[in-house]
Amino acid sequence: GENVEQHPSTLSVQEGDSAVIKCTYSDSASNYFPWYKQELGKGPQLIIDIRSNVGEKKDQRIAVTLNKTAKHFSLHITETQPEDSAVYFCAATAAYGGSQGNLIFGKGTKLSVKP
Amino acid sequence: DGGITQSPKYLFRKEGQNVTLSCEQNLNHDAMYWYRQDPGQGLRLIYYSQIVNDFQKGDIAEGYSVSREKKESFPLTVTSAQKNPTAFYLCASSISQGTGRLFQPQHFGDGTRLSIL
Repeated sequence: GENVEQHPSTLSVQEGDSAVIKCTYSDSASNYFPWYKQELGKGPQLIIDIRSNVGEKKDQRIAVTLNKTAKHFSLHITETQPEDSAVYFCAATAAYGGSQGNLIFGKGTKLSVKP
Repeated sequence: DGGITQSPKYLFRKEGQNVTLSCEQNLNHDAMYWYRQDPGQGLRLIYYSQIVNDFQKGDIAEGYSVSREKKESFPLTVTSAQKNPTAFYLCASSISQGTGRLFQPQHFGDGTRLSIL
């Protein structure tokens, strides 16, 4: 079945620096890749997503890039702020198996932005 | 405000007891999902429902049961058969993932944390 690997598991940056989180997926048929931000004690919040027919998508300080050949996608946060501190999850659609048509999640990256 | 409401926020279960977690949405979404989240882990799918009166098992359905009698509601029961129920449970909803359609984004509630007494 689909497998999504996410790196790094923890990331610490200085305020104003950029942060990059990378995910790889195993199923070449995956066609939708969302990123979620989860603050402590809360549910994940969708922050940006990308479909397989697009290579890059940007929304203010957040961007996602997709390399279908290499089967990896990345989240880029520029000009980081302390309020960006949270756990970030990537996900990819599963084309096969018990979760067919649903999302498979990475294990998350805990981002800390130091003032 | 439209959204997904999960209750209670914290829940405690005694050994051998069934407990039910509530999930209600007023987004008019057809599809609803239950996920389990363990520390340092991603989200794993327990059950999902694309339409009222129909639901499917996800990757870790053993020890859980659901019902979908109303579009707005998708309660999850953690049965005594679930030997390791301590976790953070998340409910999500989306527009229907109809065949051939573009995948529809899932939106999450704020979760229920279940612990064993």
